[in-house]
Amino acid sequence: EVKLLESGGGLVQPGGSLKLSCAASGFTFNDFALTWVRQPPGKGLEWVSGASASGSSLYYADSVKGRFTVSRDDLTQTLYLQMNSLRAEDTAIYYCAKGLSRGVIAPLHFWGRGTLVTVSS
Amino acid sequence: QSVLTQPPSASVTPGQSVTISCSGTSFNIGSKSVNWYQQFPGAAPKLLIYNDNQRPSGVPDRFSASKSGASATLAISGLQSEDEADYYCASWDDHLHRPVFGGGTKVTVL
Repeated sequence: EVKLLESGGGLVQPGGSLKLSCAASGFTFNDFALTWVRQPPGKGLEWVSGASASGSSLYYADSVKGRFTVSRDDLTQTLYLQMNSLRAEDTAIYYCAKGLSRGVIAPLHFWGRGTLVTVSS
Repeated sequence: QSVLTQPPSASVTPGQSVTISCSGTSFNIGSKSVNWYQQFPGAAPKLLIYNDNQRPSGVPDRFSASKSGASATLAISGLQSEDEADYYCASWDDHLHRPVFGGGTKVTVL
């Protein structure tokens, strides 16, 4: 059974940092692209960042480029999102999602339950 | 402002059908596959349709989708109360070099 479990969310002040984790199980980790998608309260989905299966291709939304860093650890089967210089507009539920295949272009076949990040003073 | 444009809402009576449009450009829908996601309140999104018109295992055939040019359409037939949810279209954008989502359509069953 595929499982994606996000953690690391919480309340942080503007300008602060947080590191999100997504623990994966139930599939061959390095065969699939992994993605972060966020959803501000009461709003729609926004793609944030993605890593190809090999980890050699990393992509970022313009809104987070230079502030967020995505990485994946094949040994621990974990996807990370290091978030620096956080802003109020980064407040959202952050979902980890598994692609249907190796590339970041792949449809998001399975989603975790999400972790809430709140940026506020 | 979402890259892909969807109507914000649609209301349908039980048993009727509804179509949801998703409008893009030649950089995304016009040249790349479209995927659709379903999201119930308080839950994570779920892949409903992928590669323009393919249903993952377990998705009822009441859900179908099509694409023409730079526009895509999701159709739900025989609407049931349990279909009340938000529906999002998504595609890859060759100009932005990243995936893009529509703003979502809230389907209400009257």
